[in-house]
Amino acid sequence: GQQLNQSPQSMFIQEGEDVSMNCTSSSIFNTWLWYKQEPGEGPVLLIALYKAGELTSNGRLTAQFGITRKDSFLNISASIPSDVGIYFCAARETSGSRLTFGEGTQLTVNP
Amino acid sequence: KAGVTQTPRYLIKTRGQQVTLSCSPISGHRSVSWYQQTPGQGLQFLFEYFSETQRNKGNFPGRFSGRQFSNSRSEMNVSTLELGDSALYLCASKRGDTYEQYFGPGTRLTVT
Repeated sequence: GQQLNQSPQSMFIQEGEDVSMNCTSSSIFNTWLWYKQEPGEGPVLLIALYKAGELTSNGRLTAQFGITRKDSFLNISASIPSDVGIYFCAARETSGSRLTFGEGTQLTVNP
Repeated sequence: KAGVTQTPRYLIKTRGQQVTLSCSPISGHRSVSWYQQTPGQGLQFLFEYFSETQRNKGNFPGRFSGRQFSNSRSEMNVSTLELGDSALYLCASKRGDTYEQYFGPGTRLTVT
């Protein structure tokens, strides 16, 4: 099946630093979504992208839908301790509504 | 607006038993999808229901089944439980005309 390669697997950063993570695939997707999951909870939707090249922000978060439709990245600016969690990318196949998820990026922010 | 709710939150079962998990979607959402999350495999798609019909199915054995009711609430059932079925089971709902799925807190199933 289709796979998303998410990197890095984990990040350890200092409070105030900017963070960048990305997802790539050999397949084309029509929708990219970014989620954050905290311990004991389900993933929370952060940003949804629908068009190739689209750049969307949500507060300190910015995500882009790659021009080739095979990748997406998420940036977090001026990180704070509550940014800690696992960030997942998810993409929708060209037909249907099924989502494929990346393996996740574990983010740790040191105060 | 209330979010997606899942019951129970935690469950312990023994091998060979069966289990039923419940999911209530966000009001107005008619699509419900189920995922299995494990440390080794990540989030794996189980199935999607829309208007009481299974619209999509992942690569899981027939022991995993689900259904959706007329009020959009959904249940998933796992029969003949195996140790490897221990996981966090997540339910997600969405409106029929979008692709943004909203997740519940999950049911943590432990099989001993």
